[in-house]
Amino acid sequence: GQSLEQPSEVTAVEGAIVQINCTYQTSGFYGLSWYQQHDGGAPTFLSYNGLDGLEETGRFSSFLSRSDSYGYLLLQELQMKDSASYFCAVRDRRDSSYKLIFGSGTRLLVRP
Amino acid sequence: GAVVSQHPSWVICKSGTSVKIECRSLDFQATTMFWYRQFPKQSLMLMATSNEGSKATYEQGVEKDKFLINHASLTLSTLTVTSAHPEDSSFYICSARSLFSGANVLTFGAGSRLTVL
Repeated sequence: GQSLEQPSEVTAVEGAIVQINCTYQTSGFYGLSWYQQHDGGAPTFLSYNGLDGLEETGRFSSFLSRSDSYGYLLLQELQMKDSASYFCAVRDRRDSSYKLIFGSGTRLLVRP
Repeated sequence: GAVVSQHPSWVICKSGTSVKIECRSLDFQATTMFWYRQFPKQSLMLMATSNEGSKATYEQGVEKDKFLINHASLTLSTLTVTSAHPEDSSFYICSARSLFSGANVLTFGAGSRLTVL
C-alpha cells in the first residue's frame, strides 16, 4: 500500500516563504503531485514531479528526491489567499488506472 | 480547460433514503473517474475507481452495495449512497483525467456535501 506524511499545520506571515514537506512510502512510485484546497472547495492541481529535482510554477515550486522518498512544496511571497490545505499525492505505477492517493494534508494559515 | 461538474452541490436527506450524486466531464471524455470522500479537516480518501462500461473498482473497506457506482457513458459517472445513515454524512468529490490537462493531473468536481438526518 501507500502512505504519505505531512505536517498537519503551518503558520507563516504574508510575504514570507514556507516549505511543506511530504514523505511517502509506496511500492510502485510514479510521481508526486501537490494539490491546494480551500475550505469547502475542490482540490486544484498545483505541481507534479516525476523525476528528481525542482519544478517551478510562478510563486510555487515543488521538489522531489526519489532516493529519499521525500518531496516538498515551496510557496514564496505568501499572500493571504494562500491560506488553504495542501495535499501531496502519489500515483502507483502498478495500477493501470493511475489512481492518486493523498496525504493527510497541511493547513497553511497566512497571517498579515 | 478540463471541467468536471458535480451535482447536487449539497443535499440533506432522511436516514434510510438513497441519494444519487452525478459527476460529469463537460468538455472531455473520461473512461475513468475517481470518487473520493472527505470528512471535515481530513484528507481525501479514495472510495472507488469508476470505469466506463464496466464495474467499479472499490478500495478496501468500502462497501460496494452501500455506495453504488455507475459509469454508463464517457461523460457521466454516478454515485448512489443507499440507505443512508448519519455516519454517511460527508463531502463526496469526483475527479477525472483529461487530455487537456495531461495524465498527471486530476480535475476535481466542486464536491457534494451530504447531510443525513
